[in-house]
Amino acid sequence: SAVISQKPSRDICQRGTSLTIQCQVDSQVTMMFWYRQQPGQSLTLIATANQGSEATYESGFVIDKFPISRPNLTFSTLTVSNMSPEDSSIYLCSTYGTGSYEQYFGPGTRLTVT
Amino acid sequence: GNSVTQMEGPVTLSEEAFLTINCTYTATGYPSLFWYVQYPGEGLQLLLKATKADDKGSNKGFEATYRKETTSFHLEKGSVQVSDSAVYFCALRLIQGAQKLVFGQGTRLTINP
Repeated sequence: SAVISQKPSRDICQRGTSLTIQCQVDSQVTMMFWYRQQPGQSLTLIATANQGSEATYESGFVIDKFPISRPNLTFSTLTVSNMSPEDSSIYLCSTYGTGSYEQYFGPGTRLTVT
Repeated sequence: GNSVTQMEGPVTLSEEAFLTINCTYTATGYPSLFWYVQYPGEGLQLLLKATKADDKGSNKGFEATYRKETTSFHLEKGSVQVSDSAVYFCALRLIQGAQKLVFGQGTRLTINP
């Protein structure tokens, strides 16, 4: 299994500012994923982050808006830049358990943009 | 492309009722299938999984069988409890390629005492 923690758990931010979300995994993992869950919606993959390479973004998401860092095998950050109310969502970090098909999720960061 | 379709919600049942949440999928390859649950105010938890045809995943009284012929992975429970109230997500992941999870739209389940 993999135990994932995220900081902050929630935040209320003003329009036009940026927020960096941290994700920490209790073991070394190759792939980390960032998802967005808009209110009442399903999860949408933002990007996949592998250590030592640029993140791969899904259609509709761009690096300027959602820059990602992956400095080592246990940690990643997602920044939500120049926020607008439409960015109000839950942002979740995810990875695979070691040697497992199972994907585990962090508790999420609930972001509200006013 | 790859996609997952779940039955529309919300679903409201009485305690001890039988539950079925339908899930069908479309995949370009041979996927693994998952059910995730999200309890109120909490993150996503893996409920059960199946990695090949005819596999049955089970956990906490929930079951789902991987049906390749009907491309389905319906979630069932014989007797639901109030504590089962949550949002349930069906998902697939291809073994090859990007290996990312593709989620259905989620089904909100409410169990009344």
